[in-house]
Amino acid sequence: QVQLQESGPGLVKPSQTLSLTCTVSGYLIITGGYYWSWIRQHPGKGLEWIGYIYSSGTTYYNPSLKSRVSMSVDTSKNQFSLKLSSVTAADTAVYYCARVRREYGDSSAVDNWGQGTLVTVSS
Amino acid sequence: QLVLTQSPSASASLGASVKLTCTLSSGHTNYAIAWHQQQPEKGPRFLMKVDTDGSHSKGDGIPDRFSGSSSGAERYLTIYSLQSEDEADYYCQTWGTASLVFGGGTKLTVL
Repeated sequence: QVQLQESGPGLVKPSQTLSLTCTVSGYLIITGGYYWSWIRQHPGKGLEWIGYIYSSGTTYYNPSLKSRVSMSVDTSKNQFSLKLSSVTAADTAVYYCARVRREYGDSSAVDNWGQGTLVTVSS
Repeated sequence: QLVLTQSPSASASLGASVKLTCTLSSGHTNYAIAWHQQQPEKGPRFLMKVDTDGSHSKGDGIPDRFSGSSSGAERYLTIYSLQSEDEADYYCQTWGTASLVFGGGTKLTVL
């Protein structure tokens, strides 16, 4: 049974960099076959895809966030990470890590979610 | 542009059935989608993937009361024998080239 768990600071100051890590259990990232994604949800709003990464380190980002986003993967720890720079109050959200099926060489359904972590941007 | 459209709200009585709709934008009507459930104060949970032909594959542990289907640009989630714990937000999700797209979600109220 695959489980994903987000970790990182719950409070980040404006203009600083938000950093989160997702620890995966029950499946080895290095096995391949899936993308590993970050998705966020602003308070009371819908879901917004941030980006995803493959086990090789290849990344794909939402164009609206691309200039501020960086993702990485550490297969030795079975973790992947998110960095979002120059944050503002508009980046306050619950951040989810998730597993995305890889079909025909492209992404497909999200089939596993972490429980989410609230990150507040405030001084 | 790949867009998913959902009604903001729906309601149905306890024990009844409800059919939620997700509409694909023009030019993308042959896309598969996935349905996710988000109960209050919880993270989303994958329910199923629905293909263009209406076939669907469910996530682990999803009850038989949940079913998916398809017609043209519309993808459906039908929930039979509604229970109180089905009161939740339901999101559809699809995928373009190197991207994921979510619908705005439907808030289901069980009366």
